[in-house]
Amino acid sequence: EVQLLESGGGLVQPGGSLRLSCAASGFTFSSYAMSWVRQAPGKGLEWVSAISGSGGSTYYADSVKGRFTISRDNSKNTLYLQMNSLRAEDTAVYYCAKGTDSSGPSEYFQHWGQGTLVTVSS
Amino acid sequence: SYVLTQPPSVSVAPGKTARITCGGNNIGSKSVHWYQQKPGQAPVLVIYYDSDRPSGIPERFSGSNSGNTATLTISRVEAGDEADYYCQVWDSSSDVVFGGGTKLTVL
Repeated sequence: EVQLLESGGGLVQPGGSLRLSCAASGFTFSSYAMSWVRQAPGKGLEWVSAISGSGGSTYYADSVKGRFTISRDNSKNTLYLQMNSLRAEDTAVYYCAKGTDSSGPSEYFQHWGQGTLVTVSS
Repeated sequence: SYVLTQPPSVSVAPGKTARITCGGNNIGSKSVHWYQQKPGQAPVLVIYYDSDRPSGIPERFSGSNSGNTATLTISRVEAGDEADYYCQVWDSSSDVVFGGGTKLTVL
């Protein structure tokens, strides 16, 4: 059974940094691209970033480009999102999602974690 | 950037058919995927590649895509179908794009 477990969310001041993690199990982690998708309170879904299975290719939404960095450690079956220069508008639940193959961003997402809440506020 | 447009809300009586649309420029040339999200829960894929259903999704859920509109159809609607529904495509210039979401209310 595919399981994705996010962690690392919390309260951070504007301009601060936070690193999210997503621990994966139940599948061959290195064979699949992974993405982060966020959802601001009461709002819709927004794709944030993706990384290929090897980690060699990364992709970002314009809204986070230059501030967020996606990475993965295939030896630990873990996906990361380093978030710098955080803004109030980055406040959201962040979900990790499993792609459909090793390249990214994926066509669609069949498996999602339960999400971790990031709140950017002073 | 590519934009997907969904109606904010759709209401339907139990046992009837709900149709949720997703509009986009020549969306018929793209593959459309649909997610169901209930309050406090992660999204669940209900339709992929326009009309395929993942295992475990009832046959009451179906999809179509042509021209500038994709449609998610839910037949014989049940109270448990009340949720937010999102369409999604992959676009070469925008990567992953989600629609704004439609709140389905079962009357």
